[in-house]
Amino acid sequence: AQTVTQSQPEMSVQEAETVTLSCTYDTSESDYYLFWYKQPPSRQMILVIRQEAYKQQNATENRFSVNFQKAAKSFSLKISDSQLGDAAMYFCAYRRLGGSRLTFGEGTQLTVNP
Amino acid sequence: SAVISQKPSRDICQRGTSLTIQCQVDSQVTMMFWYRQQPGQSLTLIATANQGSEATYESGFVIDKFPISRPNLTFSTLTVSNMSPEDSSIYLCSVDRTSGRGEQFFGPGTRLTVL
Repeated sequence: AQTVTQSQPEMSVQEAETVTLSCTYDTSESDYYLFWYKQPPSRQMILVIRQEAYKQQNATENRFSVNFQKAAKSFSLKISDSQLGDAAMYFCAYRRLGGSRLTFGEGTQLTVNP
Repeated sequence: SAVISQKPSRDICQRGTSLTIQCQVDSQVTMMFWYRQQPGQSLTLIATANQGSEATYESGFVIDKFPISRPNLTFSTLTVSNMSPEDSSIYLCSVDRTSGRGEQFFGPGTRLTVL
């Protein structure tokens, strides 16, 4: 079974600084998707970024980028120029190609200090 | 992206009663998903709902406790039956992005408190 692990329950960053959230996963599949979702206090799950396993190039979305290391089964999220609105719970998620289930990590609570 | 609404947004219920949560999507989708998020925890898939067939439940979840309906391609309901305080959670529905890019879009969630 696939598992997703986020080893940092809480992280904090100063406004305008950069922070990296860690995620590792375990799978025997070769084709899959990885995601970072953000859940602010409103509890709405918001997709931040996605990565397809067959792509070696790391995904980027504005201030958000990932470091995808397939062999190490690592998928970290870097947030640059952190803003107060980035404060939220961040979940790493895995989905097997052709599968239906999203498997989530435990989450990392990010605090942004002014 | 899909626009997803859920009703109710929150509710407080008594032990032993049942609550039906509705999920409405603004476009036709093949699969709809129901997740549970217990307090302070991550999301766990309850079941996948396909139109015209029985829902597929994940290990640890049963139809008698969480019956699901999927009458058409834009709507689904999840019922939490014979509730206990352990059922206090946020319940979220989600759908696949139609272009097959793998990601799911989520509704705003229903916060359920069982006394």
